[in-house]
Amino acid sequence: DTEVTQTPKHLVMGMTNKKSLKCEQHMGHRAMYWYKQKAKKPPELMFVYSYEKLSINESVPSRFSPECPNSSLLNLHLHALQPEDSALYLCASSHGISAFFGQGTRLTVV
Amino acid sequence: QQQVKQSPQSLIVQKGGISIINCAYENTAFDYFPWYQQFPGKGPALLIAIRPDVSEKKEGRFTISFNKSAKQFSLHIMDSQPGDSATYFCAASTANQAGTALIFGKGTTLSVSS
Repeated sequence: DTEVTQTPKHLVMGMTNKKSLKCEQHMGHRAMYWYKQKAKKPPELMFVYSYEKLSINESVPSRFSPECPNSSLLNLHLHALQPEDSALYLCASSHGISAFFGQGTRLTVV
Repeated sequence: QQQVKQSPQSLIVQKGGISIINCAYENTAFDYFPWYQQFPGKGPALLIAIRPDVSEKKEGRFTISFNKSAKQFSLHIMDSQPGDSATYFCAASTANQAGTALIFGKGTTLSVSS
């Protein structure tokens, strides 16, 4: 089983809203990631959690707040986003070598 | 130092032909080189990967060739099919511990015409 599950698949939110993206994996992977992907661009790393601790924050604005409640779950809390934050948000997990991505959440900020 | 350069940006191949996508890297600390396939609106899917201790790896119609001295690696898709039409990303990382992030190339959009 190489499945990373992300919810919701689509999200439309206003600039004053607060919402959360969720990611779940049951492969026993100890590293989990958030990536942002704009159209026709490669995934861009946002955050890395290793053994449930935040290990990399790629200078992401504070309106994005990650959380890792346990080794299987990863959340991304969103607040006061801008229209330019509209993108495909991807979660991934890995244990050592191979990283597996979820199907992403298509976020539109209006 | 951290970049992975990928070419071509787009590629059109006839059905049954060979698709070739190339990548080059600078950081000699990289020791894991995966390729991802992404269809529109979907997440990237791990296609095939190689470590630098081998020069070639084949899985079905997909082959990675790796040239350590030139710091280059490439993806060959044999007998390309319309269903292979997607965006392909090469990537690199150091694979020795959990939480190592992938450095992606800019992607190649492959169209296989029937």
